[in-house]
Amino acid sequence: GENVEQHPSTLSVQEGDSAVIKCTYSDSASNYFPWYKQELGKGPQLIIDIRSNVGEKKDQRIAVTLNKTAKHFSLHITETQPEDSAVYFCAASFTMDTGRRALTFGSGTRLQVQP
Amino acid sequence: DSGVTQTPKHLITATGQRVTLRCSPRSGDLSVYWYQQSLDQGLQFLIQYYNGEERAKGNILERFSAQQFPDLHSELNLSSLELGDSALYFCASSVTSGTSGGAYEQYFGPGTRLTVT
Repeated sequence: GENVEQHPSTLSVQEGDSAVIKCTYSDSASNYFPWYKQELGKGPQLIIDIRSNVGEKKDQRIAVTLNKTAKHFSLHITETQPEDSAVYFCAASFTMDTGRRALTFGSGTRLQVQP
Repeated sequence: DSGVTQTPKHLITATGQRVTLRCSPRSGDLSVYWYQQSLDQGLQFLIQYYNGEERAKGNILERFSAQQFPDLHSELNLSSLELGDSALYFCASSVTSGTSGGAYEQYFGPGTRLTVT
């Protein structure tokens, strides 16, 4: 099955700095890569996603880049704010033995933005 | 608020017992997914239903089962509970089934925290 590795596991930045979280995936057929933000006591919230036919997508302070050749994708948060503090998960779609598709998630990155 | 609702929010039960978790998808979404989140395993895909039919199966134990009803709400049944089943259980929903290979945004509910004592 698909394997998604996520780094770093924890990240501490000063308010206003940028934060970068990186993920690698194993299934070359993966074509959908969402990022989720999970705050304490809440469910994961979809914040941005990218499809395999584009290399970069941006939404205000958040951007995601995809390198299909190297099979890695990254989340970039600029001008970080204390409310960005949360656990971030990357995910990649993969095709199971049955031919059905599912998402597999990275292990998460705990981002702390110091005011 | 994602529009996905889950009940109950918390559940405490004893080993060997059976529980049912409930999920209502976002209005218009036909697919429901169940995930287990534990400290050491991260987010693990359990099972997917699309318009009442089982569509994909992940790492779901035989003691666990699910179904999706005609009104599209879904229930996850966990039986013969063990201490290791203590975890957060999330439901997510999406418009499509994802089988076409295309992208399918999944929106998560707030989760049910299950504690087995």
